[in-house]
Amino acid sequence: GAVVSQHPSWVICKSGTSVKIECRSLDFQATTMFWYRQFPKQSLMLMATSNEGSKATYEQGVEKDKFLINHASLTLSTLTVTSAHPEDSSFYICSASWGAGELFFGEGSRLTVL
Amino acid sequence: GDSVTQMEGPVTLSEEAFLTINCTYTATGYPSLFWYVQYPGEGLQLLLKATKADDKGSNKGFEATYRKETTSFHLEKGSVQVSDSAVYFCALSDGGGSNYKLTFGKGTLLTVNP
Repeated sequence: GAVVSQHPSWVICKSGTSVKIECRSLDFQATTMFWYRQFPKQSLMLMATSNEGSKATYEQGVEKDKFLINHASLTLSTLTVTSAHPEDSSFYICSASWGAGELFFGEGSRLTVL
Repeated sequence: GDSVTQMEGPVTLSEEAFLTINCTYTATGYPSLFWYVQYPGEGLQLLLKATKADDKGSNKGFEATYRKETTSFHLEKGSVQVSDSAVYFCALSDGGGSNYKLTFGKGTLLTVNP
């Protein structure tokens, strides 16, 4: 099946710094990418939907200025956690769609903010 | 809003045992239903899906039937293998075209012992 890769898979940062997570579709052009957040023993919570070349659509309760999403090309979307704090520590997962109705997921990126 | 409730784990079985993981949902309209599987260290993969009432999705020996009357989509397998050890997520989509959003359950960790 199609491959979606996230990088980094694990990142530790100091409180107050910003962290960028990349999501790449390796063998297809992703017209839409989704970003999720997963807390331990909880379900994946959709954070935002991004379409290539346009602004992301954020879910209710997700701070746009905190979680910056860029989808500048059909194979790359980035999530930047700005001024990260310990409560932002979580597992972030992206998925990508090429329009045929199936989603392909990345391996996830674990963020730990000290 | 839409929600998915699935059986809490962890579930531990012996090889060749019968597996059931319960999943119920609430949704407006007529959602599509999915089971995703996440093997250790990998991204979520679509296991099976059903798009309308009474449809049965099946793959790799797993089955689930879309039951509108009970709003359920229980996952079953007649004889599990050690290689089935993974986290299983039930999910629904709002049916919005080809770039749908998914609502996930919390996931159920399955461990199969030899």
